[in-house]
Amino acid sequence: ETGVTQSPTHLIKTRGQQVTLRCSSQSGHNTVSWYQQALGQGPQFIFQYYREEENGRGNFPPRFSGLQFPNYSSELNVNALELDDSALYLCASSLSFRRKQFFGPGTRLTVL
Amino acid sequence: AQKVTQAQTEISVVEKEDVTLDCVYETRDTTYYLFWYKQPPSGELVFLIRRNSFDEQNEISGRYSWNFQKSTSSFNFTITASQVVDSAVYFCALRPVTLTQGGSEKLVFGKGTKLTVNP
Repeated sequence: ETGVTQSPTHLIKTRGQQVTLRCSSQSGHNTVSWYQQALGQGPQFIFQYYREEENGRGNFPPRFSGLQFPNYSSELNVNALELDDSALYLCASSLSFRRKQFFGPGTRLTVL
Repeated sequence: AQKVTQAQTEISVVEKEDVTLDCVYETRDTTYYLFWYKQPPSGELVFLIRRNSFDEQNEISGRYSWNFQKSTSSFNFTITASQVVDSAVYFCALRPVTLTQGGSEKLVFGKGTKLTVNP
């Protein structure tokens, strides 16, 4: 059984650019959640997708958006990057929105 | 609103010592889950244990044990006979249980406790 995978592993962008991060959920999982983890902090919930629909959102501005595809993989898009967007972005998948979340290795985003 | 507080920022122990990581939480929900995750330097969050709010029975699983006390809103985690491989950042997390499909069950994390186990 394949676990949660994320790409790319590392990414460097400049302020004002746009970025797309990708997540492949574990086989059979229909729910994907995204978290932002700043250095030295705990992960913060960005949003969750359940069967291709957004199913809850944390305290993040609209320039953070997402998609979930029919195969339940997901994308996180961030527009107009700011320096404070530098963080580890974690994706987690689960069998449903109510089940245990399995995390991927994360994408380390650096905004210069 | 939910909140998780891990007062210990960093802990350093010598191998084979027992170590307890503290966690205090705040929630108005009557039904919720509590978790401990481990984050090694590679970055991936590794699930360790989960407890629901209706079950205050404390258990031991191998070298791990936990002490859930609803009266004090605490969910402490103990590693017995620590090993160098236990060195990591440990996160306590809270997740409310929603009764409707429309509610996401997000994890609310504490800031983490960095554990260093020295040989």
